[in-house]
Amino acid sequence: QQQVKQSPQSLIVQKGGISIINCAYENTAFDYFPWYQQFPGKGPALLIAIRPDVSEKKEGRFTISFNKSAKQFSLHIMDSQPGDSATYFCAATDNYGQNFVFGPGTRLSVLP
Amino acid sequence: ETGVTQSPTHLIKTRGQQVTLRCSSQSGHNTVSWYQQALGQGPQFIFQYYREEENGRGNFPPRFSGLQFPNYSSELNVNALELDDSALYLCASSSGPASSTDTQYFGPGTRLTVL
Repeated sequence: QQQVKQSPQSLIVQKGGISIINCAYENTAFDYFPWYQQFPGKGPALLIAIRPDVSEKKEGRFTISFNKSAKQFSLHIMDSQPGDSATYFCAATDNYGQNFVFGPGTRLSVLP
Repeated sequence: ETGVTQSPTHLIKTRGQQVTLRCSSQSGHNTVSWYQQALGQGPQFIFQYYREEENGRGNFPPRFSGLQFPNYSSELNVNALELDDSALYLCASSSGPASSTDTQYFGPGTRLTVL
């Protein structure tokens, strides 16, 4: 019940294309869903986050779509660029923020 | 850069030994969390400290312990190292009090190899 499932495991997209990564969770106590971006040799960095009271949040080229009834959320990267090539992790936590649960990650490669 | 530093960068130990990893949080951040990231996996939450007290713990045995100091530094101690402890250990700091809305700033990690 603590797991967050993430797909696909890897993704190859052409420059300018749309990258879509999907996550699903079981624990209904989760109420904060961040996405992290990690480059090799670096720690994860917060990209964008959403709470379940909204169905979509957009920041620049990055959009989170959230489906509370299906317990699913996804990250869309519009106009993908080679600089977006990294590993992306979805995560979830409850209101206390004491136990972040990360998905297994998606390795994105954007071809020039 | 996040302003969170970790030392050492890399470390090699043998099975059964003990190790101490260090983290320096951003100034003013009262919460520090530690994660274990196995190769090709997402980070797994070990525990969190808020104002020098343990504030939450993941599914890790007691041989994983921590300390947080008033000067925004913290330690992760692992006793009786096992081969499966080989991983990247990340610390993340956030402003207190611990809350899910606080952004966590991750350090670059310490790569631990247990032989």
